[in-house]
Amino acid sequence: QVHLVESGGGEVQPGESLRLSCAASGISFKTFGMHWVRQAPGKGLEWLAVISSDGNSAYYADSVKGRFTISRDNSRTTLYLQMNSLSPDDTAVYYCARSDTYDSYYFYYMDVWGKGTTVTVSS
Amino acid sequence: EIVLTQSPDTLSMSPGERATLSCRSSQTVSSNYLAWYQQKPGQAPRLLIYAASSRATGIPDRFRGSGSGTDFTLTIDRLEPDDFAVYYCQPYGSSPYLTFGGGTKVEIK
Repeated sequence: QVHLVESGGGEVQPGESLRLSCAASGISFKTFGMHWVRQAPGKGLEWLAVISSDGNSAYYADSVKGRFTISRDNSRTTLYLQMNSLSPDDTAVYYCARSDTYDSYYFYYMDVWGKGTTVTVSS
Repeated sequence: EIVLTQSPDTLSMSPGERATLSCRSSQTVSSNYLAWYQQKPGQAPRLLIYAASSRATGIPDRFRGSGSGTDFTLTIDRLEPDDFAVYYCQPYGSSPYLTFGGGTKVEIK
């Protein structure tokens, strides 16, 4: 059984930082690309970032580029999202998800998702 | 940048009816690499369809994906109470920069 479990969410003030984690079990973590996707309250899904299976390539949505950093530790089967300079617009549920990948550039559909962790940015 | 337009925004249906959801892309979706996801309130999205028409593991055959190029359709036959949810489309495979459609909510009439 494949499981992804996010953690690290919480309430922070504007301008602060937060690091999310996504622990994987039951899968060959190091062979999959991994994504972060978020959903603001009452809104749709927004793709944020993806990292290649070896961790050497990462790609970001314009909305978070320069502020968020995706990384992974294959030895710990854990994905991370470092979020800096947070604003109220970053308030959302954050999901991690896996996908097949090739050439560290092409990523397929997301077939396993975590349940999400909630981030609230408010003064 | 691909822009996805899902229509309608909301579909009011009765159990047992057929629902037809549309996803239109501003660019040709390479190799018809388009996925559909279902999301229920308070839950994570779930993969339904990939490659436009292939059902994911455990998805009943009441869910049918079709289309090619820039126009794709998700059809749900014989709606069941558990099918009332929001559905998103997403192209993949031609760029690492992904995007989702705005979603279609299927609600009980």
